[in-house]
Amino acid sequence: AQSVTQLGSHVSVSEGALVLLRCNYSSSVPPYLFWYVQYPNQGLQLLLKYTSAATLVKGINGFEAEFKKSETSFHLTKPSAHMSDAAEYFCAVSEGIQGAQKLVFGQGTRLTINP
Amino acid sequence: NAGVMQNPRHLVRRRGQEARLRCSPMKGHSHVYWYRQLPEEGLKFMVYLQKENIIDESGMPKERFSAEFPKEGPSILRIQQVVRGDSAAYFCASSLAGQSNEKLFFGSGTQLSVL
Repeated sequence: AQSVTQLGSHVSVSEGALVLLRCNYSSSVPPYLFWYVQYPNQGLQLLLKYTSAATLVKGINGFEAEFKKSETSFHLTKPSAHMSDAAEYFCAVSEGIQGAQKLVFGQGTRLTINP
Repeated sequence: NAGVMQNPRHLVRRRGQEARLRCSPMKGHSHVYWYRQLPEEGLKFMVYLQKENIIDESGMPKERFSAEFPKEGPSILRIQQVVRGDSAAYFCASSLAGQSNEKLFFGSGTQLSVL
């Protein structure tokens, strides 16, 4: 079975600083990987996804993530944090059973931005 | 173009009552997924449905929980004889084609509180 581990349930950075949210996965087949963001009282929104094309994936709001097969990682980064980035971030892998998208999520990382 | 609509946003039930959660997918989407988010945890897959068919219910508890997606109308997640452990946020998502690498569109969720 596939699984996702997000290192650090809470991350705090200063405004303008680098954001790094860690995600490691396990999968017996080439995975599809996703990062979703959840703002308070809202559903999840897709930030970016990896689907076996380029290993460096650019998403919305200045975020990007790099797929590293040797490290089974898909860490999310943003060069300069903005106050509006404060939210909960979820890494997910698709099990892809019979072509259906059944996501396995990590436990989430709550990002706090300090002024 | 309205997004995924879930209602109610908040639902309070006493132990032993029934809870009905509704989800209208995005226009043109015929694939619906239900996820549950317990406090301080990531989302857990419950069930995947297409119109009038349950495709994958491997994440559904064996008792008290059921889901449907009729030909007409919203998808319904039904929980009979609720217990306190059912308190959680329930998210519905939809997709156009149900492919493994496809983006899911999430609703804002229903927060179920069992007293």
